[in-house]
Amino acid sequence: DGGITQSPKYLFRKEGQNVTLSCEQNLNHDAMYWYRQDPGQGLRLIYYSQIVNDFQKGDIAEGYSVSREKKESFPLTVTSAQKNPTAFYLCASSIDLNRDTEAFFGQGTRLTVV
Amino acid sequence: EDQVTQSPEALRLQEGESSSLNCSYTVSGLRGLFWYRQDPGKGPEFLFTLYSAGEEKEKERLKATLTKKESFLHITAPKPEDSATYLCAVQAGSNYQLIWGAGTKLIIKP
Repeated sequence: DGGITQSPKYLFRKEGQNVTLSCEQNLNHDAMYWYRQDPGQGLRLIYYSQIVNDFQKGDIAEGYSVSREKKESFPLTVTSAQKNPTAFYLCASSIDLNRDTEAFFGQGTRLTVV
Repeated sequence: EDQVTQSPEALRLQEGESSSLNCSYTVSGLRGLFWYRQDPGKGPEFLFTLYSAGEEKEKERLKATLTKKESFLHITAPKPEDSATYLCAVQAGSNYQLIWGAGTKLIIKP
């Protein structure tokens, strides 16, 4: 079955640590996205990518980094510079940035600072 | 500023009691409006895309409609398994980014 796989489902980070969230898709989609979801707020875009080796900052990119070395993979690193990282992180993909088509989401990673 | 507002924040209904959720938007040049369903601890699941005023789409007990200012998600004779948070998002102008509402939490009591 085609879809988006995020791992791990739960992640705990100590102060000053960098952590990496995995996102893999087998939908053959060009565009991939990372969102952050906090209670009572709409999804906020962290980074997005249209093609391999190219990505753009979203509204809240500070303290995060990404890479797109393969079409299928778009990992997100939450760095120690992100002061409030506790949130639910969602990875998504769509056919193409330029088409007004729906995005498909993974099951999310819940990150908690301990 | 482009904005999407969903109301109500939460809605409790008895099983079988029909109602509607609202998604109002103020954007320049609507290109598409998307409805998603999200269960607790899960990623959003795509429901509908609407592209122009007057358009309607249906799926089981759900029907989405679109005007120039807002969209409604009508739920007819809901069942407890329809309980979820329903999210609305808009794509507009030359912006690739979706603008998301905060969602409506729907609870259907048996």
